[in-house]
Amino acid sequence: QQQVKQSPQSLIVQKGGISIINCAYENTAFDYFPWYQQFPGKGPALLIAIRPDVSEKKEGRFTISFNKSAKQFSLHIMDSQPGDSATYFCAASGNTGNQFYFGTGTSLTVIP
Amino acid sequence: DTAVSQTPKYLVTQMGNDKSIKCEQNLGHDTMYWYKQDSKKFLKIMFSYNNKELIINETVPNRFSPKSPDKAHLNLHINSLELGDSAVYFCASSQGFLAGGFSYEQYFGPGTRLTVT
Repeated sequence: QQQVKQSPQSLIVQKGGISIINCAYENTAFDYFPWYQQFPGKGPALLIAIRPDVSEKKEGRFTISFNKSAKQFSLHIMDSQPGDSATYFCAASGNTGNQFYFGTGTSLTVIP
Repeated sequence: DTAVSQTPKYLVTQMGNDKSIKCEQNLGHDTMYWYKQDSKKFLKIMFSYNNKELIINETVPNRFSPKSPDKAHLNLHINSLELGDSAVYFCASSQGFLAGGFSYEQYFGPGTRLTVT
C-alpha cells in the first residue's frame, strides 16, 4: 500500500503566488520527512527536510509545516517563480534508513 | 566534480538480455541506494547498502542483483530483461550512521533511462 500519500497530482500557480503541496503518512515510526525537487531529465534534489520534534521549518521561500498528531506535512513555496516549475516529492523515512518511501509527486507549473 | 555519477545515461536493449548500470559516489558516504522511477514518475526504493552490506531489499525480482565492490560503488545487474523493466533507475547515497545518529539526507545521481524493446 502507499505509505505516503501526496496531493495534488498537479498544480498551476501564478508567479508570486503561494504553492502548497500536502502529504500524509500512517507509520508513526517515521522520523524524517524530506521534500525533493526534480527537474526533467535530472535526479531528485533534496530541498528541505524536517524531523517530527518541530512543527515548522523554513529555508528561504520554502517552508515545511508538520502536524504530528494528524500525521500530515506540507510544503509551502512563497512568491512562486517560473524557475520553481518542477515535480515535487515528499518522502518519509524511519528505522535508521531501513524504510524510505516517496509520495507520488506533484507537477508544479508557475505561470509568468 | 559530480557527487553521484551513473553510467550509462541511456541504455536501450532487447528483451532477454543482461545489462549492468554502474554507480559511483565521491562524497565519502557509507550508504547507497537504487531506486526505480516508472513512467508515472513514481519513485520506489529497490535496494540499500550500508558499508557494502545489504540493508533494504524491497520486493524486487531476483533478476535484479546489486553488487557493491566497495562503499563508493554500487552497481545494478539485471538478468533476462523484460519490457516492464523499462524505467529510469537512480542511484543515491547518504552519510548513514554518524556520531550523533543517522543521516538520512540522500543525494541522487542523474539517472539511467533503460528502454527494453
